[in-house]
Amino acid sequence: GENVEQHPSTLSVQEGDSAVIKCTYSDSASNYFPWYKQELGKRPQLIIDIRSNVGEKKDQRIAVTLNKTAKHFSLHITETQPEDSAVYFCAAVGGYSTLTFGKGTMLLVSP
Amino acid sequence: NAGVTQTPKFQVLKTGQSMTLQCAQDMNHNSMYWYRQDPGMGLRLIYYSASEGTTDKGEVPNGYNVSRLNKREFSLRLESAAPSQTSVYFCASSDRQGVAGELFFGEGSRLTVL
Repeated sequence: GENVEQHPSTLSVQEGDSAVIKCTYSDSASNYFPWYKQELGKRPQLIIDIRSNVGEKKDQRIAVTLNKTAKHFSLHITETQPEDSAVYFCAAVGGYSTLTFGKGTMLLVSP
Repeated sequence: NAGVTQTPKFQVLKTGQSMTLQCAQDMNHNSMYWYRQDPGMGLRLIYYSASEGTTDKGEVPNGYNVSRLNKREFSLRLESAAPSQTSVYFCASSDRQGVAGELFFGEGSRLTVL
């Protein structure tokens, strides 16, 4: 089955800095890579996703890059704000399987 | 449009007691899922139902059973609760399994087993 590793487990940045979270996956057949954000005490919500036929995708201050050869993908948040503080989960899936999540990264943005 | 609704939000059980977590979605989604979330462990899939009438085991199914009652409802049952089942449980749904399936989560159910 799929195995997703996520790093770092915690990340502290100053407001305005950039934050990068990295994930690796094991199944070369995986072709869909979503990122979920979970604020404290809330439910996880999808913030951005990327499919295997695309190398990069941007949505305002967030972007995701995918390197299929190396089997890793990353979340980039620019100009971080305190409201970006949350736990971020990467995930991977291929075919008709189910999503496998990484263990999460707690991002803390200090004013 | 409530999305995914789970009940109860909080529950305390004694070891050996049983309980059922209820989940309903109003988005006409085919697939439904039960996850548990533990500190440092991410979201782990317990059971899922790709479509009405089917259920399959996920990564951590031991100690749980599920029922896909109809297209809207998917329940999770703990027959004999154990302290290791203390966790936050999330129900989720998607319009289709796998590649195109954004998951919509419920608010979660916090279960404590003493």
